[in-house]
Amino acid sequence: GENVEQHPSTLSVQEGDSAVIKCTYSDSASNYFPWYKQELGKGPQLIIDIRSNVGEKKDQRIAVTLNKTAKHFSLHITETQPEDSAVYFCAASITVLGKLIFGQGTELSVKP
Amino acid sequence: EAGVAQSPRYKIIEKRQSVAFWCNPISGHATLYWYQQILGQGPKLLIQFQNNGVVDDSQLPKDRFSAERLKGVDSTLKIQPAKLEDSAVYLCASNGPRGRDTEAFFGQGTRLTVV
Repeated sequence: GENVEQHPSTLSVQEGDSAVIKCTYSDSASNYFPWYKQELGKGPQLIIDIRSNVGEKKDQRIAVTLNKTAKHFSLHITETQPEDSAVYFCAASITVLGKLIFGQGTELSVKP
Repeated sequence: EAGVAQSPRYKIIEKRQSVAFWCNPISGHATLYWYQQILGQGPKLLIQFQNNGVVDDSQLPKDRFSAERLKGVDSTLKIQPAKLEDSAVYLCASNGPRGRDTEAFFGQGTRLTVV
């Protein structure tokens, strides 16, 4: 069935360092790959997304890469700040308006 | 622009009782989702509506869960009777103004504890 694997489950970095979170998906029909940030007691909030016709996308300190052949996609956060501390989820979907298959989440901790 | 509104924020019930959650999506969003998020896991889709029609309810435990979206706007999710394993955060999301693809926006969720 549809599945998204996410690693690592926890990640601790020093402020200013980079953080990388990796995901693998199983459904080759997937074409939309969003990343969500979830803070304690809140709902997930989109931070960046990528569609299958693009290999890389960047928004300030955040970038996402996609390798459709290998069914891998990754989130890169540079110059991390304490306010980046949260749980990050990757997801995959066939379309933007389709159901999202989420990974298990990565708890990122940025130490000042 | 107002976000996705959900109520209540928290609910504690005993097993075998019933409970209902309410969601008001972002104005104009045709697609509405209910996700279940068990502690320490990613959200899992329970049901997806397009306007007031069901698109996907393949993972909804229909013997105890039901959902409706009256007039294609607000939605309610009901559990009857509740089990201990239903303890989770229930998230509502919406997207898709007509003719546009937009990302899914999530509400803050309802945290359900079944004791």
